[in-house]
Amino acid sequence: DGGITQSPKYLFRKEGQNVTLSCEQNLNHDAMYWYRQDPGQGLRLIYYSQIVNDFQKGDIAEGYSVSREKKESFPLTVTSAQKNPTAFYLCASSILVDGAGELFFGEGSRLTVL
Amino acid sequence: AQSVSQHNHHVILSEAASLELGCNYSYGGTVNLFWYVQYPGQHLQLLLKYFSGDPLVKGIKGFEAEFIKSKFSFNLRKPSVQWSDTAEYFCAVEGESGGGADGLTFGKGTHLIIQP
Repeated sequence: DGGITQSPKYLFRKEGQNVTLSCEQNLNHDAMYWYRQDPGQGLRLIYYSQIVNDFQKGDIAEGYSVSREKKESFPLTVTSAQKNPTAFYLCASSILVDGAGELFFGEGSRLTVL
Repeated sequence: AQSVSQHNHHVILSEAASLELGCNYSYGGTVNLFWYVQYPGQHLQLLLKYFSGDPLVKGIKGFEAEFIKSKFSFNLRKPSVQWSDTAEYFCAVEGESGGGADGLTFGKGTHLIIQP
């Protein structure tokens, strides 16, 4: 089955530690995205990538980093510089066509900082 | 930058009641609009989308939405809700560059609870 796989589903980390969230897609989509979901805040865009070896900052990129070395993979690192990292992180992908690029989402990773 | 406003953060209805969730966006150009749904414990999935043409679009599970350009609105409707419609609903607008390249801008969501 085609889809987006995020891991781990749950993650705990201590303050001051970096953590990397994995996102893999087998949909052959060009673009990939990372969103952060907080209660009452909706989804906010962290980073996105339209093509391999290129990525752009979203609305709340501070304290995060990404890489796009392969088309199917777009890992997100939550660094110790992120002031409030406890959140639900969603990875998405889309195939870029004329018109809107519908997003397909993974099941998410819940990060808790202790 | 565009923004999306969802009027109700929490809505509680009884089964068989009619539903309308409000969504307004700020972007003045050509827009593509979406409603996503997140059922408890499940991933976000597309409910319906508007690209062009008929402003009344139909989605899955009996949902529909109407694009009213003059009001910058894209309200979601369902004539008779079911308990299984309990979920969080997000309205979203396409990025400014078009083609979805910049991702979507989401509203803050509406948590819908259907009481049996």
